[in-house]
Amino acid sequence: NAGVTQTPKFQVLKTGQSMTLQCAQDMNHEYMSWYRQDPGMGLRLIHYSVGAGITDQGEVPNGYNVSRSTTEDFPLRLLSAAPSQTSVYFCASSYSAGLDGYTFGSGTRLTVV
Amino acid sequence: RKEVEQDPGPFNVPEGATVAFNCTYSNSASQSFFWYRQDCRKEPKLLMSVYSSGNEDGRFTAQLNRASQYISLLIRDSKLSDSATYLCVVNQAGTALIFGKGTTLSVSS
Repeated sequence: NAGVTQTPKFQVLKTGQSMTLQCAQDMNHEYMSWYRQDPGMGLRLIHYSVGAGITDQGEVPNGYNVSRSTTEDFPLRLLSAAPSQTSVYFCASSYSAGLDGYTFGSGTRLTVV
Repeated sequence: RKEVEQDPGPFNVPEGATVAFNCTYSNSASQSFFWYRQDCRKEPKLLMSVYSSGNEDGRFTAQLNRASQYISLLIRDSKLSDSATYLCVVNQAGTALIFGKGTTLSVSS
């Protein structure tokens, strides 16, 4: 049972490049979400999903796309990377509408130069 | 106004001290409440859920006051290993977790 797996762990992008951060969970969780964490800002919600085929925007969705074609996977796409997207990205999942808390992946540290 | 507000600290306490963290939330539709712990920008990990009746887990006690929209965490007999950032978190059913910015605790010998 791997829990929540995020890949890659580290990434350096050039401004304007696109990439996909991968998130997969093997716990059959319906609820998944993406956060970014910046110094002094705490964790901010980017996008979330309450089940396959259903996604919604969080607090800071601009510049990011998501899709949820399967229960297991919730990839986050950066369309055209900008230095302001340099951050640590966390993916999380939950079984019970988040009422029992979420399990987090170990994060992706992204630098955009 | 931020949805979840915490005093960022840092709280610097000696081993054995009792320390309390407070948190307020703005959305009265919030349905579940948690304290998470985060070490050195690793992933947040669930410390404990918070219930209206109050709940205790060893040296940790959490309280929720729905009328005041206020959450607290009390740590008794602080250990060096308690040094971390403590995140106050709320959740509305059908959405996702909303985090406070965190309170930093440093326990020294």
